[in-house]
Amino acid sequence: ETGVTQTPRHLVMGMTNKKSLKCEQHLGHNAMYWYKQSAKKPLELMFVYNFKEQTENNSVPSRFSPECPNSSHLFLHLHTLQPEDSALYLCASSQVYQRGGRDGEQFFGPGTRLTVL
Amino acid sequence: LAKTTQPISMDSYEGQEVNITCSHNNIATNDYITWYQQFPSQGPRFIIQGYKTKVTNEVASLFIPADRKSSTLSLPRVSLSDTAVYYCLVGDGSARQLTFGSGTQLTVLP
Repeated sequence: ETGVTQTPRHLVMGMTNKKSLKCEQHLGHNAMYWYKQSAKKPLELMFVYNFKEQTENNSVPSRFSPECPNSSHLFLHLHTLQPEDSALYLCASSQVYQRGGRDGEQFFGPGTRLTVL
Repeated sequence: LAKTTQPISMDSYEGQEVNITCSHNNIATNDYITWYQQFPSQGPRFIIQGYKTKVTNEVASLFIPADRKSSTLSLPRVSLSDTAVYYCLVGDGSARQLTFGSGTQLTVLP
């Protein structure tokens, strides 16, 4: 257990469906992240939230919509996905120090295995 | 961001010491070196981080030469459960700048 939970662990959806992935961290961290990992590919950083503010969006298609209602919860809303979006979606959290110094390492959740039919 | 280069794969046997080397020729003054471990269908897990010389914790050691252009992760007496992908990352310590490369697939054989 890393202190970061993700639900659901597995999700199968059609291209016209709307679904949401949920992430919750119990570590008191102030930053949360969404990553995508396709088969046999490196992790791709999708979104970063720092103090509930989105600070990075790495050219992610608009069919992926993040939401961070508070520093402990992070959602990824999915709609009209494509089969190539099938992947493992990982959430992570860390402690970010705004006034310089080294930020803490990231703690990852178990991921949601998404299959788009 | 400093680019890292590490072997794609390595094989070892149980009980051996494994050393995985990462090259980062354009590492910046403020950059730290961080290693993560990832098992299939799981998120990466932090192993160790260092800036220079040697760092040791309960699971691994990290050796960094004076020029800091490379680093070596050392896993003592590996077991089958150490089979995983190991990532070397270089950055200024800002977690926002983490870029995962392809990593090294370590396979521990009985």
